[in-house]
Amino acid sequence: DAGVTQSPTHLIKTRGQQVTLRCSPKSGHDTVSWYQQALGQGPQFIFQYYEEEERQRGNFPDRFSGHQFPNYSSELNVNALLLGDSALYLCASSGVLEANEKLFFGSGTQLSVL
Amino acid sequence: AQKITQTQPGMFVQEKEAVTLDCTYDTSDPSYGLFWYKQPSSGEMIFLIYQGSYDQQNATEGRYSLNFQKARKSANLVISASQLGDSAMYFCAMREVHGSGNTGKLIFGQGTTLQVKP
Repeated sequence: DAGVTQSPTHLIKTRGQQVTLRCSPKSGHDTVSWYQQALGQGPQFIFQYYEEEERQRGNFPDRFSGHQFPNYSSELNVNALLLGDSALYLCASSGVLEANEKLFFGSGTQLSVL
Repeated sequence: AQKITQTQPGMFVQEKEAVTLDCTYDTSDPSYGLFWYKQPSSGEMIFLIYQGSYDQQNATEGRYSLNFQKARKSANLVISASQLGDSAMYFCAMREVHGSGNTGKLIFGQGTTLQVKP
């Protein structure tokens, strides 16, 4: 039973570029959340997708957008990259059948913006 | 606003000993959930233990237990019989709860780095 998978594992971009990160949720999960984790900090909530719609959003600018597909996988898009967007991006999935609806995380995508 | 505070940036423990990682929280909601996650150098956040605000007993999961003191708003993680593989970053988190139920938003603390010495 595969857990949460994210791709790519590492990515290097330059300022102003656009990036797309991908996530496949754990089998049986229908909800995907994205988090940004700066070096030495705790993760910060970006947004959550359920039934192909953004259900909740954290305090991130519109440059951050996402999508959820019918198979529950998800993409995170970041436009007009800034140096401060360099971080580990974590995807988490959950489902109502999980006890306490706990989140399962992937290993993340390390994004470096030069 | 909900907030999680972890005041120990780094902790050392001898192998086979117990260690307590501190976590305090702030919320005005009567219903909330508290989590502890472990993050090794690989980056993945690994679920350890969960405590609901209405749970009467402290949660336990194998070598992990949560010392839940609701009046003091603390949710400390206790790791018994530490192992070398326990060396990692540990995060305390609280789930935001809305009127319609649980949300997917976890609010994380700054984390505590634990190093287990042989």
